[in-house]
Amino acid sequence: DGGITQSPKYLFRKEGQNVTLSCEQNLNHDAMYWYRQDPGQGLRLIYYSQIVNDFQKGDIAEGYSVSREKKESFPLTVTSAQKNPTAFYLCASSITPAGGTNTGELFFGEGSRLTVL
Amino acid sequence: GNSVTQMEGPVTLSEEAFLTINCTYTATGYPSLFWYVQYPGEGLQLLLKATKADDKGSNKGFEATYRKETTSFHLEKGSVQVSDSAVYFCALDGNQFYFGTGTSLTVIP
Repeated sequence: DGGITQSPKYLFRKEGQNVTLSCEQNLNHDAMYWYRQDPGQGLRLIYYSQIVNDFQKGDIAEGYSVSREKKESFPLTVTSAQKNPTAFYLCASSITPAGGTNTGELFFGEGSRLTVL
Repeated sequence: GNSVTQMEGPVTLSEEAFLTINCTYTATGYPSLFWYVQYPGEGLQLLLKATKADDKGSNKGFEATYRKETTSFHLEKGSVQVSDSAVYFCALDGNQFYFGTGTSLTVIP
């Protein structure tokens, strides 16, 4: 079945460590996104990519990094520079980038919950 | 700029009650509007959408109408069930996707 797979589902990190969250999609979508979800704050955009080898900062990019070497994959690294990384992270994709003429829905993975010990 | 303002929760209703969750938006141009639903521990799923003014999106008994004159996209359901308990997000598609803060709904038997 087509969809978005995020791993791991749960992750624990010690302070000062970098961790990488995986996001893979087999929907052949051009655009991919990373969101952070905190209680009472909705979804905040970290990074997005509209095409392979290109990505843009979202509203809260500081302390995070991404890469888009393949269309199917958009991993997120939470670096030690992110001071409050404990959160639920959601990866999403869309067939075309937001604001395009053929705009459609976002498809989400099931999320990764990161806890800093 | 673009933004979405959503009714704050939490909302608690008895089974078979009528549901309204308010959503208003600010946007340049004519964005598409969406309602997403999130069940505990899961990602978001599209519930319904509307792509132009006066369109009505509907799914699983939920409805929302794209009202340009009031810049609103309120979610309604005539008779809620326990299985509708979830968090509901209003969203618009501008130069990026903009989400409201979410409204938690609990339906009690």
